[in-house]
Amino acid sequence: NAGVTQTPKFRVLKTGQSMTLLCAQDMNHEYMYWYRQDPGMGLRLIHYSVGEGTTAKGEVPDGYNVSRLKKQNFLLGLESAAPSQTSVYFCASSDRRGRTYEQYFGPGTRLTVT
Amino acid sequence: GIQVEQSPPDLILQEGANSTLRCNFSDSVNNLQWFHQNPWGQLINLFYIPSGTKQNGRLSATTVATERYSLLYISSSQTTDSGVYFCAVRNSGNTPLVFGKGTRLSVIA
Repeated sequence: NAGVTQTPKFRVLKTGQSMTLLCAQDMNHEYMYWYRQDPGMGLRLIHYSVGEGTTAKGEVPDGYNVSRLKKQNFLLGLESAAPSQTSVYFCASSDRRGRTYEQYFGPGTRLTVT
Repeated sequence: GIQVEQSPPDLILQEGANSTLRCNFSDSVNNLQWFHQNPWGQLINLFYIPSGTKQNGRLSATTVATERYSLLYISSSQTTDSGVYFCAVRNSGNTPLVFGKGTRLSVIA
């Protein structure tokens, strides 16, 4: 059981380039989330999904798009990267077994935009 | 939305000392989790504790939901306890967790 995995672990982009971050979970969880973490800011929610084919905006969605075509995968896209998107990105998943919705995190992707 | 405040923001301890970290939240919750972010950046689940008390080794946590706070106790601290401790809450259904800004703990040998 790998839990939550993220690809890639590190990436450097030039301003204006695009990329997709992949999150995968093997726990059959219904809910998946993308957060970003900046120094002194804690974790802030970008987008989330409550099931296959559904997505919703979080606290800081601008400049990002997401897709959940398969239950086990949640993709985060940057169409035109900006230096303000330099951050560490975390994916998480949770399930409602026992109505706990306990959330589990992936290892993170460190993105630098120059 | 719900607000989460953690205190203290920074804490320095001598190895072997005990500490208490606090999390206050502004509304009723149906989920509260404590996480440890180690120096390598990994977020590790410590406790799922929307109410009551739990213990895991040297760590324990108590949530008093009616008074809207949770406490994380670390006893006999070790250098491996260093990192940032986050409290996160959810106040309804399947809405995402909202995080506090964390307490940065440094344990010195």
